[in-house]
Amino acid sequence: SSELTQDPAVSVALGQTVSITCQGDSLRSYYASWYQQKSGQAPVLVIFGKNNRPSGIPDRFSGSSSGNTASLTITGAQAEDEADYYCYSRDSSGNHWVFGGGTKLTVL
Amino acid sequence: EVQLVESGGGLVQPGGSLRLSCAASGFTFSNYWMSWVRQAPGKGLEWVANINQDGSEKYFVDSVKGRFTISRDNAKNSMYLQMHSLRAEDMAVYYCARGVDSKDYWGQGTLVTVSS
Repeated sequence: SSELTQDPAVSVALGQTVSITCQGDSLRSYYASWYQQKSGQAPVLVIFGKNNRPSGIPDRFSGSSSGNTASLTITGAQAEDEADYYCYSRDSSGNHWVFGGGTKLTVL
Repeated sequence: EVQLVESGGGLVQPGGSLRLSCAASGFTFSNYWMSWVRQAPGKGLEWVANINQDGSEKYFVDSVKGRFTISRDNAKNSMYLQMHSLRAEDMAVYYCARGVDSKDYWGQGTLVTVSS
């Protein structure tokens, strides 16, 4: 399968924990990376590999994977975390890549 | 400081051609895979193409195969996307990004509008 499936929208109360999931057969073989995109801006890498954060990304962002599902968890969500989040990985062939459809995170 | 700057976007008629450029600075360009990613208005991100460090490996999303080519000039720290036979569905902001399995730096994008 070449698809990565995300919930279109998720909400979280300020300061609470939220997980955004990404499902796809290829995730049994490949890690997902995760991107945050705020309105009108370019995407920003927040998680890559098993659970790695680029420099400058707060440690409230973490990643995990189990079976065909990758997850991005925000522990103690802040107002500035409100954004669209995309997962990205290879497809099962290994030489095509695909983004998930994106999840719009609302912080209440 | 790593910088990626796209250029070359604009208005083109259906069936037309356009060449996008990505100028890189602040890192050793020849050491990295590079990518193009696009985003249609109001839509999600779509991977378009990847190119390896010396240009010997190139991969494309199926919807652009045979119409788009990707290339790079390591001496000029630049990457290119040549687009032919453009369709309405190719209209998008095109981003240049560094990396293959994860993209750690992105440009601000260049808008390609396909319309008669």
